Amino acid sequence: SAVISQKPSRDICQRGTSLTIQCQVDSQVTMMFWYRQQPGQSLTLIATANQGSEATYESGFVIDKFPISRPNLTFSTLTVSNMSPEDSSIYLCSVVGQDGGYGYTFGSGTRLTVV
Amino acid sequence: AQKVTQAQTEISVVEKEDVTLDCVYETRDTTYYLFWYKQPPSGELVFLIRRNSFDEQNEISGRYSWNFQKSTSSFNFTITASQVVDSAVYFCALRVTGSARQLTFGSGTQLTVLP
Repeated sequence: SAVISQKPSRDICQRGTSLTIQCQVDSQVTMMFWYRQQPGQSLTLIATANQGSEATYESGFVIDKFPISRPNLTFSTLTVSNMSPEDSSIYLCSVVGQDGGYGYTFGSGTRLTVV
Repeated sequence: AQKVTQAQTEISVVEKEDVTLDCVYETRDTTYYLFWYKQPPSGELVFLIRRNSFDEQNEISGRYSWNFQKSTSSFNFTITASQVVDSAVYFCALRVTGSARQLTFGSGTQLTVLP
C-alpha cells in the first residue's frame, strides 16, 4: 500500500492566520481526500482533491476557507485560512490506489491548535 | 445517503477479556465496502480490514475477528483476549461504488483495556 508523509505533524497557530498542510505519497494515486476530525469526534470529509482540476468540496466546506491544491498524482496541500479556535482539529489526508480502493491509507495527521 | 452507526461510545474491559465492537450501516447500494480502522492515542488511522458486500464469510486474523451479516446490516468486530495495546478508538466505515470513493465513518468506539 502507499506510504503517506503528512506535514506538519502538529502546530499551534494564532487566530486569523493560515496554515498549509502537505501530503506527499510515495506512488501515484488516483484520488486524494482531506478529512477533519474535531476533538472527540469522527472523521468528516472536507473535499476530494482532483489532479488538474478544482477540488470537490462537501457541504459545509468552502474553497475560500479550505483551499486545496493537487499539482500532480503524488502531492496535495490543504490550507486552513483565517483560522479560529473552532478550526482546532486533526486534519488527515487519505489516498486511494490505482486498483480502486483496496484499503484506504491515511497520513499520520496534523494536530492543529488555534489560540 | 449512507450512514454508519457505532452505538457504543466507550467500552472498558480488563485485560484478557473478549470484547465486541458493534457497527450497523445503512445504504441503498447493493455493492459496497466496509472497513474497520484503529486510531491509537498518537492519532494515525491504522487500516484493519476491508470487506465487500458480496463476501459474507467471517474473517479471523490473530486475535481479531469480524462478523458480517447483511441480513442485519451489521459488521461487528471482536477482539479475543484483549491487551492493553488494544486501547484505541475504533472506527467502522462504509464506501459505496461509483465515482465518489470517500468513506463514511461511524462515530467511533473508545476501547480501554485495563491491566
